[in-house]
Amino acid sequence: GESVGLHLPTLSVQEGDNSIINCAYSNSASDYFIWYKQESGKGPQFIIDIRSNMDKRQGQRVTVLLNKTVKHLSLQIAATQPGDSAVYFCAEKSGTASKLTFGTGTRLQVTL
Amino acid sequence: GAVVSQHPSWVICKSGTSVKIECRSLDFQATTMFWYRQFPKQSLMLMATSNEGSKATYEQGVEKDKFLINHASLTLSTLTVTSAHPEDSSFYICSASGLPTAEAFFGQGTRLTVV
Repeated sequence: GESVGLHLPTLSVQEGDNSIINCAYSNSASDYFIWYKQESGKGPQFIIDIRSNMDKRQGQRVTVLLNKTVKHLSLQIAATQPGDSAVYFCAEKSGTASKLTFGTGTRLQVTL
Repeated sequence: GAVVSQHPSWVICKSGTSVKIECRSLDFQATTMFWYRQFPKQSLMLMATSNEGSKATYEQGVEKDKFLINHASLTLSTLTVTSAHPEDSSFYICSASGLPTAEAFFGQGTRLTVV
């Protein structure tokens, strides 16, 4: 079936460096993508989203890039901070479908 | 963003008993609510989608009689784990959205431990 997956299960970065978390999706009909941050014992927290008619969107310290040609999504975090340590999930949905399909997740570890 | 409150945040119950988890949208009307299950170090697995006033749509492999979902109002959905067993121990998370195409907001999750 369709799936959304991540390339790296764990990413370790030094404080102050930039982080890049990747996600591959297989549903070519997906037209809306979201990145979530999940801290231990908590629910997912919305970070940033992007629609398929865009290839880049920027937020505060975060940027999402979408490459529809290769069905790839990435989350870039600038000047990574200890508080960014969490598991990051990409999620997608298509058309008017209301449910989200989540990727497998990447744990971001920020070292001092 | 909008606030979704989930209660309780954790619960321990004896095997064979039933447990009810509540999911409330505090500042918006949630026409659609979703229930997820998450095992340690794994992703969120959608269990069911519920629309206010209608029966929930369960994902393949999820037992309807085991996980009872009620969405009787636009601000409240409940998940009842019936006759709980240790293998039902998990992190249960709800999300809610005002419209099918709108952003979904997540609750803080409920850690269920069945002993």
